[in-house]
Amino acid sequence: GEDVEQSLFLSVREGDSSVINCTYTDSSSTYLYWYKQEPGAGLQLLTYIFSNMDMKQDQRLTVLLNKKDKHLSLRIADTQTGDSAIYFCAESPYNQGGKLIFGQGTELSVKP
Amino acid sequence: KAGVTQTPRYLIKTRGQQVTLSCSPISGHRSVSWYQQTPGQGLQFLFEYFSETQRNKGNFPGRFSGRQFSNSRSEMNVSTLELGDSALYLCASSYGPGGTVPDQPQHFGDGTRLSIL
Repeated sequence: GEDVEQSLFLSVREGDSSVINCTYTDSSSTYLYWYKQEPGAGLQLLTYIFSNMDMKQDQRLTVLLNKKDKHLSLRIADTQTGDSAIYFCAESPYNQGGKLIFGQGTELSVKP
Repeated sequence: KAGVTQTPRYLIKTRGQQVTLSCSPISGHRSVSWYQQTPGQGLQFLFEYFSETQRNKGNFPGRFSGRQFSNSRSEMNVSTLELGDSALYLCASSYGPGGTVPDQPQHFGDGTRLSIL
């Protein structure tokens, strides 16, 4: 089946690292994505990783993929108050075109 | 380069009416997908269009329909509106048919917030 799970809340101090975790069920997924949603806005693509990669780094963002455990994580280094938002993990199941399966979203709260 | 544009941003309708939402993809993008976002169900896939053809459809009733025009712009229509249709409707575009072009992820618009009274 298709299911993506995320923890609902994460609170960190400004300047700390944040780690948002996600588990998925469809091992055939080709790409896995992280999107950010701020209040009143749509989804902003943060980064994505191809399923044959273990890690991808993009400035303050590091994505780790453990395909055996179907576990994906997003690490945000030096977290800022502007990073406060909801973060969604999504998988792209093989052979289902552009359909994305999203997790429930993790609300990140950054305290000064 | 302009992003994905959705109109209108906000819409208020009453039960039983019908509504049409519009989405203009990023220039050069030919694939458009639609999603419904609600607090209870989260983000759910509605349908995907590429070159005016529906490629995939989510698990929604037939009251939800869509189409894509030759310029890649897309519309979705919801008929006989119900209270449960109140949601943020998001459109996403990508260069090629979703999932077939490497490194061509979907980019989302800011959505249309539909409220049903």
